[in-house]
Amino acid sequence: QVQLQESGPGLVKPSETLSLTCTVSGGSISTYYWNWIRRPPGKGLEWIGYIYYSGSTNYNPSLKSRVTISVDTSKSQFSLKLNSVTAADTAVYFCARLTRAQPYYFDYWGQGTLVTVSS
Amino acid sequence: DIQMTQSPSSLSASVGDRITITCRSSQSISIYLNWYQQKPGKAPNLLIYAASSLQSGVPSRFSGSGSGTDFTLTISSLQPEDSATYYCQQSYSTPFTFGPGTKVDIK
Repeated sequence: QVQLQESGPGLVKPSETLSLTCTVSGGSISTYYWNWIRRPPGKGLEWIGYIYYSGSTNYNPSLKSRVTISVDTSKSQFSLKLNSVTAADTAVYFCARLTRAQPYYFDYWGQGTLVTVSS
Repeated sequence: DIQMTQSPSSLSASVGDRITITCRSSQSISIYLNWYQQKPGKAPNLLIYAASSLQSGVPSRFSGSGSGTDFTLTISSLQPEDSATYYCQQSYSTPFTFGPGTKVDIK
C-alpha cells in the first residue's frame, strides 16, 4: 500500500519561504507524477504543481513565479518550496500521486499538513 | 484555465435517500472528470475517475456519469458515513482544477 507523508514547519513568517517534503513509502517513486495541492481555510482545493520522477515539472500559472518542486529518488521524497509567502498562502498542504497516463487522477494522498503564515 | 462549478453547494438528506451532485466545466473535458470525498481533517479520497469508473474499494452505492461539460455523482442510498464534502476535478488539461465542493449532511 502506497503511503505519503508530508513534513515541514507549521509556521512561516511573511515574505519567507515555505518548505515541505513528502516521503513516499510502500511503492516506487518512479514512473508517476508527484503533486502538491493545498486547501486554504474555508476554501476549495488548489493544485500547485507536479514533478515527474525524471525531474520535469508543471506548475499552476497562478503560483509559477514563486514555486519550485524537486525530487530525490534515492530518498523517495519530493519537496515544495514556495517563496515570498503571505497570509493568503496559509493552507493545509497535501502531497498526492497522479496516475502516469490518462485517465489522470490522484489516487494516493498524504494526510495533509497545516502551514500558517504569520509573524 | 478550465473553471469547475458544482451544485448544490450543500444539501441535507436522510439515511437511505438517493442524492445527486452536479458538476459543470467551462469547456468540454471529454470524460476526464474525477470525484473525491473529503471528511474533516482527512485527505480527499478518490471515489470515481474518468467520469464513471468506480475506484477499487469504493462502495457500489456511488456512481458517476456524464461527458463533455456536464457530470453527476449519485449516491443511491445515503449512509451516515457519507457525511462529507464532495469535490469534482478535471484532469483534461493543466492546471488541474477542482470544483468548490458540495457539503453533504445527514438529517
